Amino acid sequence: RKEVEQDPGPFNVPEGATVAFNCTYSNSASQSFFWYRQDCRKEPKLLMSVYSSGNEDGRFTAQLNRASQYISLLIRDSKLSDSATYLCVALSYNTDKLIFGTGTRLQVFP
Amino acid sequence: NAGVMQNPRHLVRRRGQEARLRCSPMKGHSHVYWYRQLPEEGLKFMVYLQKENIIDESGMPKERFSAEFPKEGPSILRIQQVVRGDSAAYFCASSPRREGSEQYFGPGTRLTVT
Repeated sequence: RKEVEQDPGPFNVPEGATVAFNCTYSNSASQSFFWYRQDCRKEPKLLMSVYSSGNEDGRFTAQLNRASQYISLLIRDSKLSDSATYLCVALSYNTDKLIFGTGTRLQVFP
Repeated sequence: NAGVMQNPRHLVRRRGQEARLRCSPMKGHSHVYWYRQLPEEGLKFMVYLQKENIIDESGMPKERFSAEFPKEGPSILRIQQVVRGDSAAYFCASSPRREGSEQYFGPGTRLTVT
């Protein structure tokens, strides 16, 4: 079983739609969580950290449920520029390694 | 504040040659991480270094791969006697501290082995 699992998608949604991605992690020692965004053939870019209390940054909301070992990302009012692969990432408490999911592809169409 | 810099951006090597990939972390960052991304796959951790020290190399192949982060200069990932399977994007990331830090990625080096 992979340490971080995501639905690879693709999610094809129209502009203005709300879309949610889920992610599960298997290592309870994971300390911190992040969502990164990766455009085709580019480097991953930090989108937001994920806190237990939930956090929001504009149209993006991230949630963490430690009991269920589950992370989510909600994107409201999707824009064409949101089209990318979204990577769920766990930071191991013991090793400081970032463990990446394989990503969820989002395609927003006009 | 310049971001993480990597060079070269693209590198072509023939089988058996050596590949040297360089990474300069963000200013003020002393922690460097190398990741490899194979086509259509996720990023995989390779090695974590601090200045002059390898902290964790559990993701590095046992042979042909080495990494260093000298006191002065960039971090270097060296691949000796490259094979076709080494073709991938190699990303470097840096962070200012260890515990729970966000990591910032460089643009990557795309290695193609012919």
